[in-house]
Amino acid sequence: QKEVEQDPGPLSVPEGAIVSLNCTYSNSAFQYFMWYRQYSRKGPELLMYTYSSGNKEDGRFTAQVDKSSKYISLFIRDSQPSDSATYLCAMSAQGNNRLAFGKGNQVVVIP
Amino acid sequence: NAGVMQNPRHLVRRRGQEARLRCSPMKGHSHVYWYRQLPEEGLKFMVYLQKENIIDESGMPKERFSAEFPKEGPSILRIQQVVRGDSAAYFCASSPGVSYNEQFFGPGTRLTVL
Repeated sequence: QKEVEQDPGPLSVPEGAIVSLNCTYSNSAFQYFMWYRQYSRKGPELLMYTYSSGNKEDGRFTAQVDKSSKYISLFIRDSQPSDSATYLCAMSAQGNNRLAFGKGNQVVVIP
Repeated sequence: NAGVMQNPRHLVRRRGQEARLRCSPMKGHSHVYWYRQLPEEGLKFMVYLQKENIIDESGMPKERFSAEFPKEGPSILRIQQVVRGDSAAYFCASSPGVSYNEQFFGPGTRLTVL
């Protein structure tokens, strides 16, 4: 079983729709959870950073962490064509700075 | 505040040559990480360094790969005797300190081995 599972299947949505992305993980020691956005042939850009369980909102982005289910989510409201990118989940354990990444989810927002 | 800088952005090497990838962390950041992204794969951790110290190299291949972060200058990821399987995007990230896990990534170096 991989440490972090993220369905890499491309996701196409119309402009204005809600984008819903998620990852599952197997390592119960993970406590720090991140979402990165990566445009084609660019470096990952940190979008959201959360510690332990709960919700965090930043503008159109909401990150949720459910440690009991080992499940994290990212929601993008009012999606824009500029949101078209690959979204990577990442996580790490306390005292261990190694980030474990999902494979990434390609999102296409259609105008 | 300049972000993480990496150079070169693109590097072409023939099999058997050496590749040197450089990374300058964000200002004020003393922790550097290297990750590799293979085609159709996610980012994989390679090594974590602080100034003059390798903290965690559990993701580094046992042979041909080495990394350093000297007291002065950028961090260097060195790949000796490159093979075609080393072709990938190599990303460097930095963070301010050990208790602060947010890592900020550079634009990457795309290595092509002919």
